[in-house]
Amino acid sequence: RKEVEQDPGPFNVPEGATVAFNCTYSNSASQSFFWYRQDCRKEPKLLMSVYSSGNEDGRFTAQLNRASQYISLLIRDSKLSDSATYLCVVNRPGNTPLVFGKGTRLSVIA
Amino acid sequence: NAGVTQTPKFRILKIGQSMTLQCTQDMNHNYMYWYRQDPGMGLKLIYYSVGAGITDKGEVPNGYNVSRSTTEDFPLRLELAAPSQTSVYFCASSPLSISSNSYEQYFGPGTRLTVT
Repeated sequence: RKEVEQDPGPFNVPEGATVAFNCTYSNSASQSFFWYRQDCRKEPKLLMSVYSSGNEDGRFTAQLNRASQYISLLIRDSKLSDSATYLCVVNRPGNTPLVFGKGTRLSVIA
Repeated sequence: NAGVTQTPKFRILKIGQSMTLQCTQDMNHNYMYWYRQDPGMGLKLIYYSVGAGITDKGEVPNGYNVSRSTTEDFPLRLELAAPSQTSVYFCASSPLSISSNSYEQYFGPGTRLTVT
């Protein structure tokens, strides 16, 4: 089983739609979880951290399910500018690099 | 505060040439990383460093070398460039933050390398 798995997509959704991505991770000892966003030909940038209790930032909601070892990202009222690749990121125990998923591509269509 | 800077932005190499990709961060981060990203693919870790004088291999280190003589700089050296090394190279850094368990990584803008 891969350390971090994501559906590569693409998810093609109309403006205003709600879309959700899931990501599974294999290491039950992982403690830190993030969603990064990567625009075409640009560097990844942190979108939001994922906390145990779930957290919301405007139209974006992230949730963590430790029992099933998955995290989710919900985007409400999608905008054209949300079109990007969304990377699920998980830490390994100890001072080792974060593990990046391959990303889920989202296209928001007018 | 410039964050993570990389030079050059673009480079074309001939097979067998060598070059050094430069990476500098001004955030006093202990951790630095080099990734490559092939078109349409995910990030692959080449090398990383947990502090000056310490480097470790990632998942794809062959054909590359690194050094970390200062906290700020983490250059990546390509010896004997091959077409398979055509990629976008991202440098990143992160703070050492054991207490908060937070390891956010900050990325540079990337270097686009073509080997022909």
